[in-house]
Amino acid sequence: KQEVTQIPAALSVPEGENLVLNCSFTDSAIYNLQWFRQDPGKGLTSLLLIQSSQREQTSGRLNASLDKSSGRSTLYIAASQPGDSATYLCAAYQTGANNLFFGTGTRLTVIP
Amino acid sequence: DAGVIQSPRHEVTEMGQEVTLRCKPISGHNSLFWYRQTMMRGLELLIYFNNNVPIDDSGMPEDRFSAKMPNASFSTLKIQPSEPRDSAVYFCASSPGQGLGGYTFGSGTRLTVV
Repeated sequence: KQEVTQIPAALSVPEGENLVLNCSFTDSAIYNLQWFRQDPGKGLTSLLLIQSSQREQTSGRLNASLDKSSGRSTLYIAASQPGDSATYLCAAYQTGANNLFFGTGTRLTVIP
Repeated sequence: DAGVIQSPRHEVTEMGQEVTLRCKPISGHNSLFWYRQTMMRGLELLIYFNNNVPIDDSGMPEDRFSAKMPNASFSTLKIQPSEPRDSAVYFCASSPGQGLGGYTFGSGTRLTVV
């Protein structure tokens, strides 16, 4: 069974810093990997989707990479802002299972 | 597109009552998923449908939980009878299916059973 792990569980950084969130998965047989953001008491907002054939995706200050062979993905946030404070979840879309396997998330706090 | 629409946004009910949560997926998406989120267990997949057919309901915690998808644009998750430990946020999500695209989540229903 696919297991998705996110490290660290929580992260606090001063405003303006660049940061990296890590996601690892045990089974490389995935269609894609998706990064979500969840604000307290809210739903999940999709940030970036990387297909299994791709290496990275970029949207504004966000860049996500995927290395299937090593079972890793990273989410890079440039020039962090207080508004980036949220929980970030990665999820691997498992081939054949038609199911997303979620990590437990990284709770990010950006201090003004 | 209005995205995945869930109703109600909040539900407070007494133990033993029946609760019905509703979801309208994105038009054209073939797969629909029901998740439950709690602080203790995170996001848990309850059941998913492909082309309106339930494919995997192994995540449904008990017989008190049931889900239906009578057509491509509507699904329900029912809890009968409800218990306090069912209190959680229930999310519905849809996707084009078979890895063709990502998941889109609804805003969730926050259920409180007292």
